[in-house]
Amino acid sequence: QSALTQPASVSGSPGQSITISCSGTSSDIGGYSLVSWYQQFPGEAPKLIIYEDFQRPAGISTRFSGSKSDNTASLTISGLETEDEADYYCCSYTDSRTWVFGGGTRVTVL
Amino acid sequence: EVQLVESGGGLVRPGESLRISCAASRFILSSYTMHWVRQAPGKGLDWVSSINPRMTHIYYGDSVRGRFTLSRDNAKNSLDLQMNNLRVEDTGLYYCARTNGGDTALVSWGQGTLVTVS
Repeated sequence: QSALTQPASVSGSPGQSITISCSGTSSDIGGYSLVSWYQQFPGEAPKLIIYEDFQRPAGISTRFSGSKSDNTASLTISGLETEDEADYYCCSYTDSRTWVFGGGTRVTVL
Repeated sequence: EVQLVESGGGLVRPGESLRISCAASRFILSSYTMHWVRQAPGKGLDWVSSINPRMTHIYYGDSVRGRFTLSRDNAKNSLDLQMNNLRVEDTGLYYCARTNGGDTALVSWGQGTLVTVS
């Protein structure tokens, strides 16, 4: 199972919106509504921020939103804040009943 | 609050074996699908394995299938990952994680245990 494809880095200024893409295939992203996104700060465990393509867990800011079109999922961070600077990973269920992560995207707030 | 504590990591040589564990608190581990996810130093997340509540479905990533075995000890409320024939590329921080009720996302994570193969 090949890793999902994410850009290595994305940057934006405070207040701007940024979007992180996550590309897969019809055997993973495109075949199920089971994309999740995780935020990870250095030295910490990942934290769930989006699940089932676009659902937000309780306590997660509405500035984070998820979407999907065909085999590509996206995470949008609106009103970018300095505290959003972190690594972000997408993840999908697959036809093989396994899960697969993207390579991760480093978000930098300029 | 849900708590997951991994243990058993250490330094081993290529070809050797290691068993790591994940102890759960404040919830019944056997009621949820549980996963192991690893992260090599400075690298991204890599899904390793999962086990469903009834232990009827245990799945492995391509890179560990045939070498790693996931099991659960209900009496201890813990999860074990037996890792055999370890390779240098298995080096990393191993996290155990609990899913939500529908097994659609990893909602709770431990702090990880470091496995070094060198």
